[in-house]
Amino acid sequence: NAGVTQTPKFRILKIGQSMTLQCTQDMNHNYMYWYRQDPGMGLKLIYYSVGAGITDKGEVPNGYNVSRSTTEDFPLRLELAAPSQTSVYFCASTTDRVDSTIYFGEGSWLTVV
Amino acid sequence: GNSVTQMEGPVTLSEEAFLTINCTYTATGYPSLFWYVQYPGEGLQLLLKATKADDKGSNKGFEATYRKETTSFHLEKGSVQVSDSAVYFCALRGGGYQKVTFGTGTKLQVIP
Repeated sequence: NAGVTQTPKFRILKIGQSMTLQCTQDMNHNYMYWYRQDPGMGLKLIYYSVGAGITDKGEVPNGYNVSRSTTEDFPLRLELAAPSQTSVYFCASTTDRVDSTIYFGEGSWLTVV
Repeated sequence: GNSVTQMEGPVTLSEEAFLTINCTYTATGYPSLFWYVQYPGEGLQLLLKATKADDKGSNKGFEATYRKETTSFHLEKGSVQVSDSAVYFCALRGGGYQKVTFGTGTKLQVIP
């Protein structure tokens, strides 16, 4: 019963490098999200998707890109990493029912130096 | 648009004290309301939820009642334990329900 799986759990990037955070869910959820959480702060929505082939920007999309080629996978790509992208990243998924629980991954800790 | 306002933290309580964390919301229609908990170094997990007015969600001794007249969903627990130390997030979903709106989180520290 895997739920939402994120990889990697920890990563250190140098300024200007790029990387992809992977997210996979095995619950056949249409809706998927990427959030970032800065130290001591709440969640900020980066991107979300309501189904394969459909993505949309959240509050803080600059510096990131996403794709949704399958229902299961929703990778987040960081282009030209900057220190401001040092954060914890959470992937989440849910169904299209308004009363459905949102399931979160365990998080990916990213440091840009 | 939708919004959620939580009381500021951190909240520090002695073990067995009564807990209230206030949450009010703004939304159109009839949103579903949630409380999530985040333990140190972990992701968020559902604590409880309520999907219509006057519903009470409960789990692990925590309770919250969906009050549409006051647009509130306050979290309560009668006797907190050290193991309840965590960050608590109020959230809603509805009215353009693709997005989930979270509050800023309230850190709770329970001391022995």
